[in-house]
Amino acid sequence: QKEVEQNSGPLSVPEGAIASLNCTYSDRGSQSFFWYRQYSGKSPELIMSIYSNGDKEDGRFTAQLNKASQYVSLLIRDSQPSDSATYLCAVMDSSYKLIFGSGTRLLVRP
Amino acid sequence: GAVVSQHPSWVICKSGTSVKIECRSLDFQATTMFWYRQFPKQSLMLMATSNEGSKATYEQGVEKDKFLINHASLTLSTLTVTSAHPEDSSFYICSAGQGNEKLFFGSGTQLSVL
Repeated sequence: QKEVEQNSGPLSVPEGAIASLNCTYSDRGSQSFFWYRQYSGKSPELIMSIYSNGDKEDGRFTAQLNKASQYVSLLIRDSQPSDSATYLCAVMDSSYKLIFGSGTRLLVRP
Repeated sequence: GAVVSQHPSWVICKSGTSVKIECRSLDFQATTMFWYRQFPKQSLMLMATSNEGSKATYEQGVEKDKFLINHASLTLSTLTVTSAHPEDSSFYICSAGQGNEKLFFGSGTQLSVL
């Protein structure tokens, strides 16, 4: 069974710090990886997508992918209280289905 | 980005009744839409893949006779929860893709069955 694993948290960081969110996946054939942010009671919002090994930066967000280790991470620089949410790691399988992790709850303390 | 509209945002119904949820892609054609369910503090679980003009593909453990999916056009998919029971209370979310790589989510429907 294909699995995506995340630490449920909460991960608590002070405002302005770097938040590091991690994710591992079991399907070695996966090629597409996504990070979503979800506020309570709301639908997920796409933050980043990454398809090749290495880093991908977009503003304060950096996604990192290591396919050999089956590991994806998301770094949030200069964390803001508004970043407090649940972050979902998702992996797309060969039939274009998204498999979600259980999410990591991030709390940014003012 | 692409817009996916989902309606209603929330619904309360009596046990035994049926509820229909609509998912529309507003500015693109979606041959495939996905339906997810999310229980409190849990992740999204894929229920079914909705294909325009053909039968939906259901994930293991999802009852196709209970969760009826219709994808009659390239911009509309509907999920009907038939004979709803309190255990069906959940957050239902649809998504549609623009191309094969990125999915955009509807705003979700919170269903409460009394």
